[in-house]
Amino acid sequence: DVKVTQSSRYLVKRTGEKVFLECVQDMDHENMFWYRQDPGLGLRLIYFSYDVKMKEKGDIPEGYSVSREKKERFSLILESASTNQTSMYLCASSQGLAGTNEQFFGPGTRLTVL
Amino acid sequence: QKEVEQNSGPLSVPEGAIASLNCTYSDRGSQSFFWYRQYSGKSPELIMFIYSNGDKEDGRFTAQLNKASQYVSLLIRDSQPSDSATYLCAVTSNYQLIWGAGTKLIIKP
Repeated sequence: DVKVTQSSRYLVKRTGEKVFLECVQDMDHENMFWYRQDPGLGLRLIYFSYDVKMKEKGDIPEGYSVSREKKERFSLILESASTNQTSMYLCASSQGLAGTNEQFFGPGTRLTVL
Repeated sequence: QKEVEQNSGPLSVPEGAIASLNCTYSDRGSQSFFWYRQYSGKSPELIMFIYSNGDKEDGRFTAQLNKASQYVSLLIRDSQPSDSATYLCAVTSNYQLIWGAGTKLIIKP
């Protein structure tokens, strides 16, 4: 079974802190994604990566950065957390051409910024 | 801005009846269409995908695609209380998935 894990299920941070969210997949997938999910807005793509050290902006990259140093690991960084970044963050991975195949999701990290 | 629209619900269906979930999309070039199920507090999981016009059946689930009218639907036959969840429609556009906000389905025993 594909397994996507995320470093924390719940996280509480203060405004201005630097926040790291880690995601690891064990199926050798080329593509990895970071989404945020807010009520009534669905899933919104922050960044995705189709190869090691490669990254592409999604729909809402402002205030975020990412790092993919190894194929199995994709990190999301909030450089200076703000209250409007309080959300559920979901990591996903897929194989093949990005966007055309099933995405497998991690359990999510619920981040609260105070 | 490419969009995927779903009725947010909740859609309430009696146990044993057919649940019908609909989704419309704006990008005429979309090629792949996915239905995911998300239980409360959990992450989305794939139920079905469809690429061609017409119907695709998998057990109690049937996905229907009409590219000319730009809609895709999901039918759930013999609905069970365990089908109560939010159903997300996702559509490919420029090698990304565009997600609808989801329809909350409640199956009443």
